[in-house]
Amino acid sequence: ETGVTQSPTHLIKTRGQQVTLRCSSQSGHNTVSWYQQALGQGPQFIFQYYREEENGRGNFPPRFSGLQFPNYSSELNVNALELDDSALYLCASSTTSGGEYEQYFGPGTRLTVT
Amino acid sequence: QQQVKQSPQSLIVQKGGISIINCAYENTAFDYFPWYQQFPGKGPALLIAIRPDVSEKKEGRFTISFNKSAKQFSLHIMDSQPGDSATYFCAAPTADSNYQLIWGAGTKLIIKP
Repeated sequence: ETGVTQSPTHLIKTRGQQVTLRCSSQSGHNTVSWYQQALGQGPQFIFQYYREEENGRGNFPPRFSGLQFPNYSSELNVNALELDDSALYLCASSTTSGGEYEQYFGPGTRLTVT
Repeated sequence: QQQVKQSPQSLIVQKGGISIINCAYENTAFDYFPWYQQFPGKGPALLIAIRPDVSEKKEGRFTISFNKSAKQFSLHIMDSQPGDSATYFCAAPTADSNYQLIWGAGTKLIIKP
């Protein structure tokens, strides 16, 4: 088990609503990345936060936004939920920014949009 | 849109056999190619990764073989065990970002006792 925790475990929302997912990074890690994993697919990179700043973003619209706090925990916010947002949302922490460092994943939050 | 092509989609191997999963990638901004293992209900976990100053990296029963000119790399699992049954993902850097890896679609591996 990694030291990365995510909450909630499961969530059901209605189309058009807003959702906030939370992630606590592993001790000693200052970088958090968020991924969306649709059923039967590989994770897709949403963005990465390093020292409270977004420093990399994948091909996701602006209604996907995030925050990182001074203790390096992080939130993912999704506005105006769409049915296609239903997925497993994973966060991963690492010791520093960049894609070439080992990422430690949490168990994910399963979001269902109806 | 940049892709990583992973094959096969699913694989059944007898206990003790060799499991082989392949990935093909496009241009990359940096050289780092990991394989992740994911069990149901869990997040992915790094299994093994290569920075291709070498063409092969071995850790226990797991080996990455890398062919830079062909833009391909593969995972070999020797002496496959039932506990290896999981979904395996390869990932490769994008061409234009220092932060982003593109993941393959995954291979569901089943090891038959």
